[in-house]
Amino acid sequence: QKEVEQDPGPLSVPEGAIVSLNCTYSNSAFQYFMWYRQYSRKGPELLMYTYSSGNKEDGRFTAQVDKSSKYISLFIRDSQPSDSATYLCAMRGDRGSTLGRLYFGRGTQLTVWP
Amino acid sequence: DTAVSQTPKYLVTQMGNDKSIKCEQNLGHDTMYWYKQDSKKFLKIMFSYNNKELIINETVPNRFSPKSPDKAHLNLHINSLELGDSAVYFCASSQWSAGRTEAFFGQGTRLTVV
Repeated sequence: QKEVEQDPGPLSVPEGAIVSLNCTYSNSAFQYFMWYRQYSRKGPELLMYTYSSGNKEDGRFTAQVDKSSKYISLFIRDSQPSDSATYLCAMRGDRGSTLGRLYFGRGTQLTVWP
Repeated sequence: DTAVSQTPKYLVTQMGNDKSIKCEQNLGHDTMYWYKQDSKKFLKIMFSYNNKELIINETVPNRFSPKSPDKAHLNLHINSLELGDSAVYFCASSQWSAGRTEAFFGQGTRLTVV
């Protein structure tokens, strides 16, 4: 079992829809959670960074972490065609093998059509 | 003004050749990384350097040798290239001493071995 599981999709939604992207993980040592957006043939770009459980909002994006369920989510409100990309979750801990490296999900490919 | 830059962007070479990829960051970060992204978009860490010291060395064939001449540069040399080395290689950096290891990525080097 991979440490971080993410449904690769593809996910296709109309413009204006609310998008929900999710990851589950198995290692309880993970404390820091990130979402990256990767456009085709580009490098991953950091979208959201959260620590421990809770919610964080930034514009149209909301990240949620539920450590008790080992489940993280990214919500995109009022989705736009420019949001079409692959979204990667990533996480790390602060001890042992989880320190200093990011563990990535496989990424979910999202298409928002006008 | 590019934060993490890699060269070359594309690299096509024959099996058995030796090649290098260069990376530079101007973010003032103290830690740099090499990640490999396979054809299924899965990102996995290969190496990490903190202040020019190798701190993470994943299970990578010893044909891959990283070198960090200073904090702002991290190069990757690959000997005797094999077909299976074809992938996108990403350089990244972070500020470990600030306790934040979310990484900022370069544009990637798309390596094709023929």
